[in-house]
Amino acid sequence: NAGVMQNPRHLVRRRGQEARLRCSPMKGHSHVYWYRQLPEEGLKFMVYLQKENIIDESGMPKERFSAEFPKEGPSILRIQQVVRGDSAAYFCASSPPPAGEKTQYFGPGTRLLVL
Amino acid sequence: AQKVTQAQTEISVVEKEDVTLDCVYETRDTTYYLFWYKQPPSGELVFLIRRNSFDEQNEISGRYSWNFQKSTSSFNFTITASQVVDSAVYFCALSAYSGGYQKVTFGIGTKLQVIP
Repeated sequence: NAGVMQNPRHLVRRRGQEARLRCSPMKGHSHVYWYRQLPEEGLKFMVYLQKENIIDESGMPKERFSAEFPKEGPSILRIQQVVRGDSAAYFCASSPPPAGEKTQYFGPGTRLLVL
Repeated sequence: AQKVTQAQTEISVVEKEDVTLDCVYETRDTTYYLFWYKQPPSGELVFLIRRNSFDEQNEISGRYSWNFQKSTSSFNFTITASQVVDSAVYFCALSAYSGGYQKVTFGIGTKLQVIP
């Protein structure tokens, strides 16, 4: 049973470009969470999604950031018009239903560098 | 609101020494879960342990042990006879049921350096 997959593992973008980060949850998991880890900091919650629904996006910046988890395919975290401050590691986690499942399993992260 | 405090930002020990990483948490929930994760230099997050709020038994796994004290809201992590491979950032985390799912709050991490 493969773990949570994230790609790319490393992504370099110039200011103003778009970044697309993908997350494939573990098999059987229908809940996806995105976290951001700024340099020298802990992980901060961004958004929680179930298939085709955003449940909680309270940690997501209001502008330029969006997330989706379509019926088919991976979850996507999209950052438009990236700025240097977006440079961070972005981790995806997944958990199985029901929603009260306790442990989130993390992917290896995508390291975004904005030049 | 949930909060996790890891007061030690960096610790250095010499190989074979024991080391304890502190974690203090705050939550108003009566049911919650506590976690420790390891982040080695390669960057991935490795799950180490989960403990629920009703289980205050201490746990030992090889050289790792965890001390959960509800009275002091602490969940400390001890590595016995440390090894160079233990060098990593260690995160303590808390999750509680909020808005229909387990919301996880992480501490800022403790960077452990084990010197050969």
